[in-house]
Amino acid sequence: AQTVTQSQPEMSVQEAETVTLSCTYDTSESDYYLFWYKQPPSRQMILVIRQEAYKQQNATENRFSVNFQKAAKSFSLKISDSQLGDAAMYFCAYRSGETSGSRLTFGEGTQLTVNP
Amino acid sequence: AAGVIQSPRHLIKEKRETATLKCYPIPRHDTVYWYQQGPGQDPQFLISFYEKMQSDKGSIPDRFSAQQFSDYHSELNMSSLELGDSALYFCASSLTGTGDSPLHFGNGTRLTVT
Repeated sequence: AQTVTQSQPEMSVQEAETVTLSCTYDTSESDYYLFWYKQPPSRQMILVIRQEAYKQQNATENRFSVNFQKAAKSFSLKISDSQLGDAAMYFCAYRSGETSGSRLTFGEGTQLTVNP
Repeated sequence: AAGVIQSPRHLIKEKRETATLKCYPIPRHDTVYWYQQGPGQDPQFLISFYEKMQSDKGSIPDRFSAQQFSDYHSELNMSSLELGDSALYFCASSLTGTGDSPLHFGNGTRLTVT
């Protein structure tokens, strides 16, 4: 079974600065997808960014980018120019690409605080 | 754009009662997923349906059952409720059931069992 580990239960960053959230995963599959979801105090689950394992290029979405190290099974999220609205719980997630209807497996989450 | 619709938003039940949660996926999405999130925890996968057939099963108690209907909406039925069932229940949907299509989550149903 695949597992996702987020070793940082809490992180904090000053507004306008950059922060990196860590994530590692374990899988024997070669076809899979990785995601970062954001859960603000409203508890809504919001997709931040996704990465296909077969792509070497790191995904980028505006101020959000990932550092995908496939051999190391590492998938970190970098938030640049942090804003107060970025404060949330961030979940790293894995999804198999080898079966239809496959589940999303989440890490334990990292609570990000943005200080003004 | 249309999103995943869950109802009700909040539900309060007593122990041993029954609850039914409903989920309406994004139009044309054919796969529905149910997750349970306890306080301070990550979402735990319960069950999923692809084209109205159960496609995957996670840590869903035997007291719970779910199905996907012909219009692709899904219902999670929970019986003999226990205090530990109090949680936020998410429904998510995706297209074609492949990994390339990300899961889109509804706003969740907050269930409180007293």
